[in-house]
Amino acid sequence: EPEVTQTPSHQVTQMGQEVILRCVPISNHLYFYWYRQILGQKVEFLVSFYNNEISEKSEIFDDQFSVERPDGSNFTLKIRSTKLEDSAMYFCAGRTGAALTEAFFGQGTRLTVV
Amino acid sequence: GIQVEQSPPDLILQEGANSTLRCNFSDSVNNLQWFHQNPWGQLINLFYIPSGTKQNGRLSATTVATERYSLLYISSSQTTDSGVYFCAAGTYKYIFGTGTRLKVLA
Repeated sequence: EPEVTQTPSHQVTQMGQEVILRCVPISNHLYFYWYRQILGQKVEFLVSFYNNEISEKSEIFDDQFSVERPDGSNFTLKIRSTKLEDSAMYFCAGRTGAALTEAFFGQGTRLTVV
Repeated sequence: GIQVEQSPPDLILQEGANSTLRCNFSDSVNNLQWFHQNPWGQLINLFYIPSGTKQNGRLSATTVATERYSLLYISSSQTTDSGVYFCAAGTYKYIFGTGTRLKVLA
């Protein structure tokens, strides 16, 4: 079964550094998402991406965050200047359609900001 | 926006027992999934079930979309079923519930 692949699985970074989290969606997916989960809390929506642009973003997704799909395959989340509170598990997801379709989640990237 | 609530928040069972987890959502949705979060933090998809009933081994799920709830049934629970179960519902993006933390004792 096709999988959504995220790299790295775990990243430790110093506060103030830039990080890029990478996701390789399933090839026929058109809609892409990033979610995050702070330890012990629920999973929260960050951003959705379709047709090479952001279709929706949450209040969490401020100017320090950006997404892109530079080469038609990888889908990336960049955090420009990490803060301690950015420490979380980040999940990428994709689906073939906007509604009435299953979302496929990656295994997650655990980001630790020190 | 849509609210997703799960109950109970915590559940402790003896191995072999059955359980029902509930997910209520506040508005009509086109998509609903149940996930099990394993000890490594990965979200394991259990069911995509915007309506109707599905079964997979000891697990089954039912969503009654008109009444805005979904149920996840776990029968003959095993210690490996322990973890957090999340319901996620929505039309375009998912809103996750706060989860049910299940502990199955040997």
